[in-house]
Amino acid sequence: GDSVTQMEGPVTLSEEAFLTINCTYTATGYPSLFWYVQYPGEGLQLLLKATKADDKGSNKGFEATYRKETTSFHLEKGSVQVSDSAVYFCALSGSARQLTFGSGTQLTVLP
Amino acid sequence: DGGITQSPKYLFRKEGQNVTLSCEQNLNHDAMYWYRQDPGQGLRLIYYSQIVNDFQKGDIAEGYSVSREKKESFPLTVTSAQKNPTAFYLCASSIAGGLNNEQFFGPGTRLTVL
Repeated sequence: GDSVTQMEGPVTLSEEAFLTINCTYTATGYPSLFWYVQYPGEGLQLLLKATKADDKGSNKGFEATYRKETTSFHLEKGSVQVSDSAVYFCALSGSARQLTFGSGTQLTVLP
Repeated sequence: DGGITQSPKYLFRKEGQNVTLSCEQNLNHDAMYWYRQDPGQGLRLIYYSQIVNDFQKGDIAEGYSVSREKKESFPLTVTSAQKNPTAFYLCASSIAGGLNNEQFFGPGTRLTVL
């Protein structure tokens, strides 16, 4: 079945540092890929998405590229802010037509 | 403003009691979903509904029940049969339960069994 593997956290960075959160997936066919963000005590918000190979999703300075050859969708940001502190979830929508989530990566950005 | 509302935000229940969590959306979405989130873990699908008067079990449906009598409402009942109900519950909706359709999430309900 479909599965998503995320880089284990927690991740702690200083403000303005470069961020990478790794995400790899297993799925049949051609899934859509998503990154969601969850701030403390809240629901999930869609951060970005990509629906086909080589697509790059981007939003609020975050980027991720759909790499079919490596089955990856790594999240990157060039300069993180304290306000980026949250839990980040990688997810895919595959042949089962449901979202499959990774376990989440807690990011803390220190001033 | 369009969106998904869940109520209450915090809910306390005694062991052996059933409790119903509310989820309402005014996005005119066909599909709705219930997820459970435990600390340090991802989301697990409890139930989903693609259309009014129809719903399907997800990965962890045991001890839960749902109804979908109206397009905008998808309440979840946590029954006394659910052995470990303390968790954060998230409701979501999407235009259609298919590929490329992002899900929109509500703010969640934190259920604690005393």
